[in-house]
Amino acid sequence: GENVEQHPSTLSVQEGDSAVIKCTYSDSASNYFPWYKQELGKGPQLIIDIRSNVGEKKDQRIAVTLNKTAKHFSLHITETQPEDSAVYFCAAADYKLSFGAGTTVTVRA
Amino acid sequence: KAGVTQTPRYLIKTRGQQVTLSCSPISGHRSVSWYQQTPGQGLQFLFEYFSETQRNKGNFPGRFSGRQFSNSRSEMNVSTLELGDSALYLCASSLDGLDTEAFFGQGTRLTVV
Repeated sequence: GENVEQHPSTLSVQEGDSAVIKCTYSDSASNYFPWYKQELGKGPQLIIDIRSNVGEKKDQRIAVTLNKTAKHFSLHITETQPEDSAVYFCAAADYKLSFGAGTTVTVRA
Repeated sequence: KAGVTQTPRYLIKTRGQQVTLSCSPISGHRSVSWYQQTPGQGLQFLFEYFSETQRNKGNFPGRFSGRQFSNSRSEMNVSTLELGDSALYLCASSLDGLDTEAFFGQGTRLTVV
């Protein structure tokens, strides 16, 4: 089955700096890669996604890149703000979502 | 547009009991998937229902079951509860599952004592 690895497990950044989270996947059949943000006491919130026929996608301060050959994808958050503090999960999808272990992001004011 | 609604939000049950959790997907969405979230194992796929049929299943014991109704609402049931079943149970709604956008509910926090 699909195995998704996510790094780092924790990330502390100064407000205004950038944050980068990296994931790798194992199953070449996976073709859809969403990213979720989970705040305390809430369910995961879809923040951006990318499909296997696209190399990069951007939505305001958030961008995702995908290297299908190397089987890795990354989340980039620019100009971080305190409200970006949360746990972020990457996932790879075939018939189900296989999640990474999560990255706890702390934005220091 | 209403989001995914899960009820109840919190549950405390005793070992050996059974429990039923409910999920109402986004209007128009026909696929409902269930996930278990624990600190140790992370987010794990339980099963997916589409048009009232279980289409995919994860690696959980038969004590975990589910169903979907004609209005796409779904329930999951856990029988003979064990302490290890304590977790946040999340339901995800999508148009037709597979590789489409999935939106999660707030989850049901189950504590087994």
